Amino acid sequence: NAGVTQTPKFQVLKTGQSMTLQCAQDMNHEYMSWYRQDPGMGLRLIHYSVGAGITDQGEVPNGYNVSRSTTEDFPLRLLSAAPSQTSVYFCASSRPTGLYTEAFFGQGTRLTVV
Amino acid sequence: GDSVTQMEGPVTLSEEAFLTINCTYTATGYPSLFWYVQYPGEGLQLLLKATKADDKGSNKGFEATYRKETTSFHLEKGSVQVSDSAVYFCALSNFNKFYFGSGTKLNVKP
Repeated sequence: NAGVTQTPKFQVLKTGQSMTLQCAQDMNHEYMSWYRQDPGMGLRLIHYSVGAGITDQGEVPNGYNVSRSTTEDFPLRLLSAAPSQTSVYFCASSRPTGLYTEAFFGQGTRLTVV
Repeated sequence: GDSVTQMEGPVTLSEEAFLTINCTYTATGYPSLFWYVQYPGEGLQLLLKATKADDKGSNKGFEATYRKETTSFHLEKGSVQVSDSAVYFCALSNFNKFYFGSGTKLNVKP
């Protein structure tokens, strides 16, 4: 079972470079989201999607773009990387199952912007 | 808005000690509550959950009870092991959105 797959696992960027963090899930979940994890701050929601073609902003969306053309994929784009975007990024997918919604997480992408 | 507050760490315990990590929440409606665990270099894994008031979630010796009257979901374990060393996140789910606490790092010494 693949679950949620994120690539790459590690990335170093120079300030101003662009890149796309990939996220794919094989559980047919409608809901997908991106978080960043910074020391002492837990996970903060960047963007989320409730289905193909639908995206919305989370708590910290500035500097990031997303699109959802298929149910399976939810890439996160950094258009012009900044040192403040150095963080660990997690993608998650979920689907309501009656009483609750459980989120499944990828392994994370550790991004360093120099 | 919805939010989760959990005790700051790190928490350092000796093996076989009793563990409590406090978690309180603010939410509208009827959220579901979760504890996730993150081992070094890995993503978050669901540890346990509770979907309504007075539910007790349990897994691997860990327990937490959904207390609506005190808006709390404290994590407990009677006897911790070195292998329990990890970061623990309290979270709530409301209307398909997740909100996480800041995480509590647990170090268990042999």
